[in-house]
Amino acid sequence: AAGVIQSPRHLIKEKRETATLKCYPIPRHDTVYWYQQGPGQDPQFLISFYEKMQSDKGSIPDRFSAQQFSDYHSELNMSSLELGDSALYFCASSPPPRGFALSYEQYFGPGTRLTVT
Amino acid sequence: DAKTTQPTSMDCAEGRAANLPCNHSTISGNEYVYWYRQIHSQGPQYIIHGLKNNETNEMASLIITEDRKSSTLILPHATLRDTAVYYCIVMAGGSYIPTFGRGTSLIVHP
Repeated sequence: AAGVIQSPRHLIKEKRETATLKCYPIPRHDTVYWYQQGPGQDPQFLISFYEKMQSDKGSIPDRFSAQQFSDYHSELNMSSLELGDSALYFCASSPPPRGFALSYEQYFGPGTRLTVT
Repeated sequence: DAKTTQPTSMDCAEGRAANLPCNHSTISGNEYVYWYRQIHSQGPQYIIHGLKNNETNEMASLIITEDRKSSTLILPHATLRDTAVYYCIVMAGGSYIPTFGRGTSLIVHP
């Protein structure tokens, strides 16, 4: 079965540079989520998009922005990178709710490992 | 969302059932119990979720007590590849952002 695709898988940037991470959700999934996981930490929610509109916002720094495109893929743009931005960045997607179900499961990609030097 | 309590770590012999408990005594009527796991440095993986009935899929079974204050995730025949951190997350119906924290580190040994 198709999974969430993230690119690149590894990225090395210097301080104050910019980075763009890409996420391609599972086909027919309409919601995309971004998470950040620092070393030894649990994944932290950053932001989500539903039908190309921002739907929820977590602990995303102002230096970061994201968007979802018409083909449902999403990009996370990170500017003025800091050493503390070094982390794994996961994208997840979820399908439309089925019938009257109010439950949502998320399917995560393999992540992008960002190293800021 | 209700808080959950899980043991910090557990271990299990390969081929045996792994039973991972979760306490969610403050759960409310419209909150679902979700289980995810994260194998080292991989993306979290959805396992199963339920509201009040027991659930089973190809990965695991979820047993929710009648008062819904606790649940148990059962991996019927644990393998070495099941070694991971398991997260029990309670979310209200219509809520879709899981909060990951303080899961159970399960080690499956030969």
